Amino acid sequence: DAGITQSPRHKVTETGTPVTLRCHQTENHRYMYWYRQDPGHGLRLIHYSYGVKDTDKGEVSDGYSVSRSKTEDFLLTLESATSSQTSVYFCAIAKTSGYNEQFFGPGTRLTVL
Amino acid sequence: QKEVEQNSGPLSVPEGAIASLNCTYSDRGSQSFFWYRQYSGKSPELIMSIYSNGDKEDGRFTAQLNKASQYVSLLIRDSQPSDSATYLCAPGDTGNQFYFGTGTSLTVIP
Repeated sequence: DAGITQSPRHKVTETGTPVTLRCHQTENHRYMYWYRQDPGHGLRLIHYSYGVKDTDKGEVSDGYSVSRSKTEDFLLTLESATSSQTSVYFCAIAKTSGYNEQFFGPGTRLTVL
Repeated sequence: QKEVEQNSGPLSVPEGAIASLNCTYSDRGSQSFFWYRQYSGKSPELIMSIYSNGDKEDGRFTAQLNKASQYVSLLIRDSQPSDSATYLCAPGDTGNQFYFGTGTSLTVIP
């Protein structure tokens, strides 16, 4: 399962509150990704990281920030949550041997009321 | 904008039949292609990777790639009820980013 965990697995919060989601990996992979999945839109990339302190924006980065201070942890922060950020969030890692297959964590279901 | 198109379905096939899932993509630079299976409420699971034109077989699964036509498909032989899931196509680009289709929902009817 590529040793990926996400926390929390479920969260309900209110509009305007800050939220941080954590992705933790145990296999020392360089690349990590945050996606959101919504009906009708599929998986969309929010941010990704290619090393400690090295991050870049994805397709839907507005309203999100990320940090990676250790290889094993990649944090996604919603500075001020909005109802449009209600979604399922998946973390993924890429195995850089071969063609960078991505493997996903179990997901976090976030509801913003 | 890199796009991936999949027939959204739902696709229904009887148990034991062949299920055919199709995907077209817009980025001619894509060199690697991946098929993921996602059960309801679960995370995507990688089931096939293909990098060269032609066919690649793994058990009951066959991926077919035609880069000139920008087309990749997944065939599932002897379909089982446990194959009922959403299948996501994902071309990979040179920047280590994947672009996912919205998925095809497959139901295998016992």
